[in-house]
Amino acid sequence: QVQLQESGPGLVKPSETLSLTCTVSDGSISTHYWSWIRQPPGKGLEWIGYISYSGSANYNPSLWSRVTISMDTSNNQFSLKLTSVTTADTAVYYCARGKATPDYWGQGTLVIVSS
Amino acid sequence: DIQMTQSPSSLSASVGDRVTISCQASQDIGHSLNWHQHKPGEAPKLVIYGASNLETGVPSRFSGRRSGTHFTFTISSLQPEDIATYYCQQSDNLPPTFGGGTKVEIK
Repeated sequence: QVQLQESGPGLVKPSETLSLTCTVSDGSISTHYWSWIRQPPGKGLEWIGYISYSGSANYNPSLWSRVTISMDTSNNQFSLKLTSVTTADTAVYYCARGKATPDYWGQGTLVIVSS
Repeated sequence: DIQMTQSPSSLSASVGDRVTISCQASQDIGHSLNWHQHKPGEAPKLVIYGASNLETGVPSRFSGRRSGTHFTFTISSLQPEDIATYYCQQSDNLPPTFGGGTKVEIK
């Protein structure tokens, strides 16, 4: 069974860049789509975007100007960068397998935006 | 974006009870509706995809149904291990969007 694990700083300063990495356990990163999803405290789930096995990405229009998702096939990882963060970007960030139907998720990592 | 309205936001039921959760899409999404289970401290888990298809390994007490743009998720006999928050999610249009979640507790 595939496992996903998010990693990265738990605290980011306002206006800086949030960077997270998701490590995929079974080496299938080159054969699936991969997504990032987040959940601010007390709020709903928000899809951030996905990257395909060929490396093409698609982002939520609400975030597209600040988001980049990339892939590192040699390390079975994909990454999220979110620029110019504000306190509104404080959330649990999840990585998941799939484009529009996430069938495997990571446990999530809390990122707090604060000075 | 397609809006997903999920109800109730929480419910409390006894072990063995039948539990039903509703999800209303703001427009036609066909059968492109998934249900996810999220237990505290664990990774969310896909339970049902395509409105009514049980993900591999998921107990048969879970089921899903579509009626137009209205979807229901049912646990036929609630078990203690079913305590979780359940989310509906449409996969018809990008961006995928989620319902607000239903927290299921044992009475």
